[in-house]
Amino acid sequence: QLQLQESGPGLVKPSETLSLTCTVSGGSISSSSYYWGWIRQPPGKGLEWIGSIYYSGSTYSNPSLKSRVTISVDTSKNQFSLKLSSVTAADTAVYYCARGELSTSAGAFDIWGQGTMVTVSS
Amino acid sequence: EIVLTQSPGTLSLSPGERATLSCRASQSVSSSYLAWYQQKLGQAPRLLIYGASSRATGIPDRFSGSGSGTDFTLTISRLEPEDFAVYHCQQYGSSPLTFGGGTKVEIK
Repeated sequence: QLQLQESGPGLVKPSETLSLTCTVSGGSISSSSYYWGWIRQPPGKGLEWIGSIYYSGSTYSNPSLKSRVTISVDTSKNQFSLKLSSVTAADTAVYYCARGELSTSAGAFDIWGQGTMVTVSS
Repeated sequence: EIVLTQSPGTLSLSPGERATLSCRASQSVSSSYLAWYQQKLGQAPRLLIYGASSRATGIPDRFSGSGSGTDFTLTISRLEPEDFAVYHCQQYGSSPLTFGGGTKVEIK
């Protein structure tokens, strides 16, 4: 069955760029039936949608993160990635990648990675 | 942006009891694009309900969702020990996608 796995540094310095990759296994990332998203959860807090990328290459991100977010896909590696620039301590969180299912659920996140903790600290 | 408010913040119940969780939206959720997720400590969220009332694959029928417009409810008919967790609602009908603050269902 389809699995998602986040990878990347667990510690990032303030003002630097956070870079994470989500590897999709057990299925293809290249399907118009799905889109791919990033969600984060600060310690002890709720979930926040960061952004998503569609089969067409279109990307959408949360305006609260302004222009700091870049999401891209590498179909040859079956991966998609997140870059978040100019990070501060407020960006410390568990970061999840997830699959959005467009046909049956019309967009709910039906499969999630296990999450990776990223701490912003000098 | 659609703000989702979940209530109560914490629900203290015993196994076998019925749980009723509320999710209220600041404006109407398009086409009932409302989902519920369960999250256990240290784990990723798991999709329970999509489209406000449809159960995801493998979800027991003790979980049910209802509502439309701005008011949605997740009901767990009889709590099992494994149901004690945090529940999040999410709207995916308009951008930005948003989540509620969560309801913790704890053992009384």
